[in-house]
Amino acid sequence: DGGITQSPKYLFRKEGQNVTLSCEQNLNHDAMYWYRQDPGQGLRLIYYSQIVNDFQKGDIAEGYSVSREKKESFPLTVTSAQKNPTAFYLCASSPTGDAYFLSPLHFGNGTRLTVT
Amino acid sequence: KNEVEQSPQNLTAQEGEFITINCSYSVGISALHWLQQHPGGGIVSLFMLSSGKKKHGRLIATINIQEKHSSLHITASHPRDSAVYICAPAEYNTDKLIFGTGTRLQVFP
Repeated sequence: DGGITQSPKYLFRKEGQNVTLSCEQNLNHDAMYWYRQDPGQGLRLIYYSQIVNDFQKGDIAEGYSVSREKKESFPLTVTSAQKNPTAFYLCASSPTGDAYFLSPLHFGNGTRLTVT
Repeated sequence: KNEVEQSPQNLTAQEGEFITINCSYSVGISALHWLQQHPGGGIVSLFMLSSGKKKHGRLIATINIQEKHSSLHITASHPRDSAVYICAPAEYNTDKLIFGTGTRLQVFP
């Protein structure tokens, strides 16, 4: 079955360390997204990519970086510059490059990152 | 004021009850998504609609663009419907999604 795989499910890091969250999809989707979820808040967009080798900042990109070298993969690096990195991170994809936010979204199961 | 307001924030029901979750938004939109987040955190897309009504099984979603309001209905609710339901309109100019904070539904047997 096709889907989105995020790994690991739980991740613990020390403050000051960079950490990379994995997101892989085998749905042949053009667009991929990273969202952050904090308690009591709606999901917030970190980065998104419509096509390989191209990506755009979302609403809260500071302290994060991404790459899109392959269609299937969209890893997110949480850098030491991110002031409050502890959160639940969700990766999503959608089928088309055009009107990408108007296509049904497919989500991974998320990675819960704790930084101490 | 939040751009997306969902009500109620928390909802408890007995199995078999008819459930309604409401979503009001203040921005112009091109479409609206309803999502279901399971207790483990995974999210499933339920509906994407830009007008009228859609039905899938026991779930019905409606939208009134003029009134900037959408509702999600669950008929004959079941304990497996227990989840957080999230409304996410796509803003008209950018098509970016604005997420509500969700409605937590618990259905008891």
